[in-house]
Amino acid sequence: DAKTTQPNSMESNEEEPVHLPCNHSTISGTDYIHWYRQLPSQGPEYVIHGLTSNVNNRMASLAIAEDRKSSTLILHRATLRDAAVYYCILSVFGNEKLTFGTGTRLTIIP
Amino acid sequence: EAQVTQNPRYLITVTGKKLTVTCSQNMNHEYMSWYRQDPGLGLRQIYYSMNVEVTDKGDVPEGYKVSRKEKRNFPLILESPSPNQTSLYFCASSPRDRYPSGANVLTFGAGSRLTVL
Repeated sequence: DAKTTQPNSMESNEEEPVHLPCNHSTISGTDYIHWYRQLPSQGPEYVIHGLTSNVNNRMASLAIAEDRKSSTLILHRATLRDAAVYYCILSVFGNEKLTFGTGTRLTIIP
Repeated sequence: EAQVTQNPRYLITVTGKKLTVTCSQNMNHEYMSWYRQDPGLGLRQIYYSMNVEVTDKGDVPEGYKVSRKEKRNFPLILESPSPNQTSLYFCASSPRDRYPSGANVLTFGAGSRLTVL
C-alpha cells in the first residue's frame, strides 16, 4: 500500500488558517486521498477526500498537487475545537481499507 | 441519528476469558470494519466485511474472530484474550454502493477500551 508522510505535530493560532501538509510520493492513479481527524477521546471523523481536483466542503479544503505526490488540508479559520490528530490516508482501489498512520497532532493556541 | 454503536465502552477482563465487543450501525451500510489503536502505531485494521456473510482479514487478525450474520451487526470476538490485546478498539462502517471504489467515507464508533490483565 502507498504510504503517506505527515509532520508529527503543528501549532496554529486561533482564528487563523491552518495548512496541514501530506506527502504521498508513491500514490497510484486510482488512489483517493482521504483526511480524517480524531478529537480527544473520540473515534476518527471524516473530514474530506479527493482524487485529482481540489475539493471544498463545510469543514475544510483539500488542495492536491498537480503530480498528486502531495496534498494540503486547509482549515480556513481554526477554532479550539479543531485541536485534534489529523490523518492523511490513501485508499486502495477495490478495497475499502484505509490504512491510518500516526497523523499530525494539531494544537490551537488561543 | 445515524451512528455506529459499540458496547461495552470500557472493559477490564482477565487472560483467557472469552469476550465479545458488539458493533451495530443503523445506516444500512454494506461495509464494516474493526480497528485497534495503540500508542505510536496509529489505527490498524483487524477484520473487515464487504457484506453479510463476507468477511476478510485485515492487517492484525491474530487472536480475533468476527461474524456478519446480519447487515447491521459486526461483533468482534476474542476467544482467549491476552494482555497484548489491551487496546482501544473502533468499529466503522461505510456505504459501498454510494461512492466509487476507494472513495468510501467511513463512520466510526466512539471506541471500546479493553484491558486484559
